[in-house]
Amino acid sequence: GESVGLHLPTLSVQEGDNSIINCAYSNSASDYFIWYKQESGKGPQFIIDIRSNMDKRQGQRVTVLLNKTVKHLSLQIAATQPGDSAVYFCAENFNDYKLSFGAGTTVTVRA
Amino acid sequence: DAGVIQSPRHEVTEMGQEVTLRCKPISGHDYLFWYRQTMMRGLELLIYFNNNVPIDDSGMPEDRFSAKMPNASFSTLKIQPSEPRDSAVYFCASSLGGSGDETQYFGPGTRLLVL
Repeated sequence: GESVGLHLPTLSVQEGDNSIINCAYSNSASDYFIWYKQESGKGPQFIIDIRSNMDKRQGQRVTVLLNKTVKHLSLQIAATQPGDSAVYFCAENFNDYKLSFGAGTTVTVRA
Repeated sequence: DAGVIQSPRHEVTEMGQEVTLRCKPISGHDYLFWYRQTMMRGLELLIYFNNNVPIDDSGMPEDRFSAKMPNASFSTLKIQPSEPRDSAVYFCASSLGGSGDETQYFGPGTRLLVL
């Protein structure tokens, strides 16, 4: 079956460094992608999204890159801060308004 | 905006008891989603509504689970009878819907423990 998956389950990064979180998707019909951040004990929080007609989108300290050729999505966080420690999920939409979530990557920021 | 509101935040119950989870979506949002999150299965969509009408309930695990949305500002997810394997975090999310408005906003979740 088709699924959204993450290349790495954990990422440890030094405070101040840039973080890159990767996500692979296999459904070529997906046209909308979202990154969520989930802190311990909280619900997923929207970070940034991108549509399939774009290959890059920037937000505050975050950039999402979409490579449709290899079905790859990445989230870049600039100048990682302790508050960025969380689980990050990518999600894809290919059927009405249903989102399919990846397994999540745990990001730990070292002081 | 208050965001999506869920209650209770924590629920501990005994096997066989009825459990009712509640959700108030963001005002003006036409779509409401119920998810379940476990370590083993991650985030799973259970059911979603559009304008108070259930659209897709294919994720509902079995007949013990039911969901209703009597009006635009309230939804419930009921488990009857509850079982230990239902222990999970249940999230409600809402979205505006329509072209370009698929972003789902999540509530804080209800942490359910069935003993």
